[in-house]
This record gives sequence, structure tokens and C-alpha cells, in this order.
Amino acid sequence: SQELEQSPQSLIVQEGKNLTINCTSSKTLYGLYWYKQKYGEGLIFLMMLQKGGEEKSHEKITAKLDEKKQQSSLHITASQPSHAGIYLCGADMTGGSGNTGKLIFGQGTTLQVKP
Amino acid sequence: DTAVSQTPKYLVTQMGNDKSIKCEQNLGHDTMYWYKQDSKKFLKIMFSYNNKELIINETVPNRFSPKSPDKAHLNLHINSLELGDSAVYFCASSQGQALAFFGQGTRLTVV
Repeated sequence: SQELEQSPQSLIVQEGKNLTINCTSSKTLYGLYWYKQKYGEGLIFLMMLQKGGEEKSHEKITAKLDEKKQQSSLHITASQPSHAGIYLCGADMTGGSGNTGKLIFGQGTTLQVKP
Repeated sequence: DTAVSQTPKYLVTQMGNDKSIKCEQNLGHDTMYWYKQDSKKFLKIMFSYNNKELIINETVPNRFSPKSPDKAHLNLHINSLELGDSAVYFCASSQGQALAFFGQGTRLTVV
């Protein structure tokens, strides 16, 4: 089983609709990173969350880390075709002095936005 | 200027060949990584170097050998390529905890 589960695996929404992607772990997440990937391109860093209950926003994208630091959600408001791509969550599960920067990734969520 | 650059972007080669992928970062970061993304888009770490020293070596066949001539470069050499090596390979760099910068990826196809 995956250490980091993302849901849903794929999502098709109408332009203008809101959507949420979830990232869940059974272990404490010392750092949670959200990335976006377009086909044939690298990963674009979106946000990093570290504290329980933390919430960050960038334009129409908001990410939250729950109080227990085991689940994060990414919410897109009023989706646009430019939001289409693969969203990946990555987590630092080592933390502390043993932190090596190694990230465990979820399997990704493919988002399509229909005009 | 591209922060993390990889070459080549595409690589098609025959089974049994040896190939290298190069990576350079101009961010002054101490740590560099190689990740592999399989056909199901699952991204997994392979290696990590900190200041030219190997610090992470996941369960990767020893046909894969990373080389870091200096802290701005981390190259990946693959011997005796197999069909299962086909994937997208990403180089990345970081300073401290935030792993933020990825290269654009190298799509390797072994035929």
C-alpha cells in the first residue's frame, strides 16, 4: 500500500467549478508539498505546509494541512483551463535531525477542466 | 536562466546500451536529487547528494550510478539499459527542507 494516498486519481470539471484534491497518510507529515505538472514538463512548486492547521493560498489555489498533520487538501476555486494538469503531493516523513529532504509522493491527480 | 536544467530532454536508445543524463543547478543549493517517474506518474526518489556526498541511495539497481563532480552538477549514468528503465527521470535541488526546484525531466525510452 502507498504511504501517501491521493484522491481522486482523476477529475474532470466544468470551467468555473470548484474542486478539492486530498492527500492522506497514516504517518505524521513533517512537511507537505504540492506540485503541479503539465505533460512533458517538470514539477512546478505550488505550496509547502508544515504546521498543523496551516493554510496557504496562491491566486485561486488554497492548501490546508490538518491539525493532526496527516492529511492535506488542495482546493481550486472557479477552475480555469489553465489549472489542468497533474497535481502531486509530496511529504517529508522523516523530519527532525534526520531530515534528508527526501520526499515520498502520492500517485498524482490528473485534472481536466472543460471550457 | 533555468534554475535546474537537464539534458537531454528526450532519449531513445536500444536495450543493452549505456547512457548518461546530465543535470546542473545554478541556485547554489547544497543538495541534489534524482527521481524516477514511471508510466503511472508515480514519482520515487533514487539518489540524493549533499555537497558531492551520497546521502540517499534507494533500492536502485547498481546499473544506475550517480556522479557529482561538484555541488552544482549531478549526473546519472545507466549501464546495460533494460526495457523497464523507460521512464521520466527528474533532477531536483534544494537548500534546507524545501524541495522546490525540479528540472524539466528526461524522457527515456528503451527499445
